[in-house]
Amino acid sequence: QVQLQESGPGLVRPSGTLSLTCAVSGDSISSDHWWTWVRQPPGKGLEWIGEIFHSGSTNYNPSLKSRVAISLDNSKNQFSLRLTSVTAADTAIYYCTRDPGYCSGGRCYRGHYCEFWGQGTQVTVSS
Amino acid sequence: DIQMTQSPTSLSASVGDRVTITCQATEDIGYYLSWHQQKPGKAPELLLYHASYLQTGVPSRFSGSGSGTDFSFTISSLQPEDVGTYYCQHSVAFGGGTRVEIK
Repeated sequence: QVQLQESGPGLVRPSGTLSLTCAVSGDSISSDHWWTWVRQPPGKGLEWIGEIFHSGSTNYNPSLKSRVAISLDNSKNQFSLRLTSVTAADTAIYYCTRDPGYCSGGRCYRGHYCEFWGQGTQVTVSS
Repeated sequence: DIQMTQSPTSLSASVGDRVTITCQATEDIGYYLSWHQQKPGKAPELLLYHASYLQTGVPSRFSGSGSGTDFSFTISSLQPEDVGTYYCQHSVAFGGGTRVEIK
């Protein structure tokens, strides 16, 4: 069974950088899936942040694109999120997920849904 | 960008009732629509993908249908453990959520 576990600081200062890691077990981040980040502000709905493929290809939410970066660490089978210049609006529970992409005929495709979710980690932006 | 609109935003029903939630996309998304359940204080969990395929281990009282722009999600007989918020998803877009409560 695929399991994902987020980790990182629970408190970040305004204008600082939010850095989170997602440890993956039961699958390799080198497999033909997309690894994604989703967040949920207090009392609100889900917001897709971005994703990464084992090739290093990334896609980001246009509203966050100038501040976000997602990267892979193959040696530790984990992927990471970095969000710069944070404000109180970035306070949220952050989830890592797996999108069940696949490759066929020399092309790779996204599954277009979050198949497995981590338990989430609360990040508060405050001085 | 594709937007997903869910309705209703909340509902209250009795145990054993049939409950239906709808999700509409702003353009044709084929069958690429999934449904997630988020119980209070917990992470979301996938219930259905590709509009109507039940994720492994999910009870058969949950079902989904639709294609193109209009989709629906049904709980055939509402149970107390079904309380929570339900979200539809297409790719990078989530619906606003539907809170389900027991009357």
